[in-house]
Parts: sequence; C-alpha cells; structure tokens
Amino acid sequence: EVQLVESGGGLVQPGRSLRLSCTASGFTFGDYAMSWVRQAPGKGLEWVGFIRSKAYGGTTEYAASVKGRFTISRDDSKSIAYLQMNSLKTEDTAVYYCTRGGHGDRLDYWGQGTLVTVSS
Amino acid sequence: SYVLTQPPSVSVAPGQTARITCGGNNIGSKSVHWYQQKPGQAPVLVVYDDSDRPSGIPERFSGSNSGNTATLTISRVEAGDEADYYCQVWDSSSDHPFGGGTKLTVL
Repeated sequence: EVQLVESGGGLVQPGRSLRLSCTASGFTFGDYAMSWVRQAPGKGLEWVGFIRSKAYGGTTEYAASVKGRFTISRDDSKSIAYLQMNSLKTEDTAVYYCTRGGHGDRLDYWGQGTLVTVSS
Repeated sequence: SYVLTQPPSVSVAPGQTARITCGGNNIGSKSVHWYQQKPGQAPVLVVYDDSDRPSGIPERFSGSNSGNTATLTISRVEAGDEADYYCQVWDSSSDHPFGGGTKLTVL
C-alpha cells in the first residue's frame, strides 16, 4: 500500500525557516517524481514545486510564488522528500501536501498534509 | 499563463447526475486530471488522463474532454459525493495547474 507521511509543520515567525519531510512507503521511491502542493485556509490547491527522479536528472521546478525561497530535495536511500522553506511569509500559511508525480503526471497519491502557520 | 475556470458551486439531488466543468483554451488537446477533496481530508485522484479511473474509484465517476471544456460527470450522486472537486492540467506557460475548485452540494 502506497503511503506518504508529511512531518515538520508548525508555527514559525515571518522570515524564519522550516523544513518539511515526506516519508514514502509501498513503492520504489526513486522511480518517481515527487511534488508539493499547498492549500491556504479556506482556499484552493496551489502547486509549490516538484523534483524529478534521478533517472531524469533529479532536477526541480518551482512556482513563481516560492522560487528562490523554497528548495525541494530527495534522499532515495531513505525514501524521503524534503521541502526546505526559507524567508517565510504570512501568505505561506497553509496545509502542505506531499504527492507522488511531477510535471505532466497525474498526482496519484497524497499524504494527509502538515500545517504550516507563519505568524509573529 | 494558462487559466482553468471552474464554477464555484454545483448542486444536485441524490440519484441525479452532476456535471462539473473545467474550461481552458484548447483544453481538449491536454490531459486533464480530477481530484475530490472532502472536508478535512487530502485530495484523492478520481479521474486521470481525461477519462480513466484509478482502481477503487466507482464507475459512477467519468470524464470527458473536448474543445475548450473538460467535464467530470458523477452519475447517481450519493450524499458521500459531497466535496470540492479540482481539475488539473499541466501547461508549460503556467505554474498554476489547478482550477479554482467546485463545491458539489447534494441537496
């Protein structure tokens, strides 16, 4: 059974950093691109970015709203994807979901999400 | 930038058919995916590549895509289908692959 479990969310002050983790199981993690999608309270889904599999260079792409502040990485040996968030803003407050799939793919499995609250 | 337009809400009586649209320029030439999100839960893929269903998704869920409109059709609607539905399309000109979402209300 495919499972994605996010962790690392919490309350953080504006301008600070936070790192989210997504631990995967039930599939060969290294074979898949992984994406992060967020949802602000009461709002719709917003794509954050994704990382390709190593077979496709392991490269990343980001939404303009987070480019230069957020970094996605992966550790295939541990089946974990990371979202490093720097220079956080109040508008980054959202539930962050880890999903399997990348650009051009369907996002076929989602984690339960982790809440990030950016507030002073 | 590629914009996806969904109606904010759709209402339907139990047992009837719900149709949720997703409009986009020449969307018929792209692959459309649909997600269901119930309150307090993560989204779930219900239709992919316009009209395919993941395993475990009831046959009542179907999709079509032509011209400038993709449609998610839910037949014989049940109370448990009440949720937000999002369409998704990848386009190189946009980093907003999701539509704004449609709230399906079962009357």
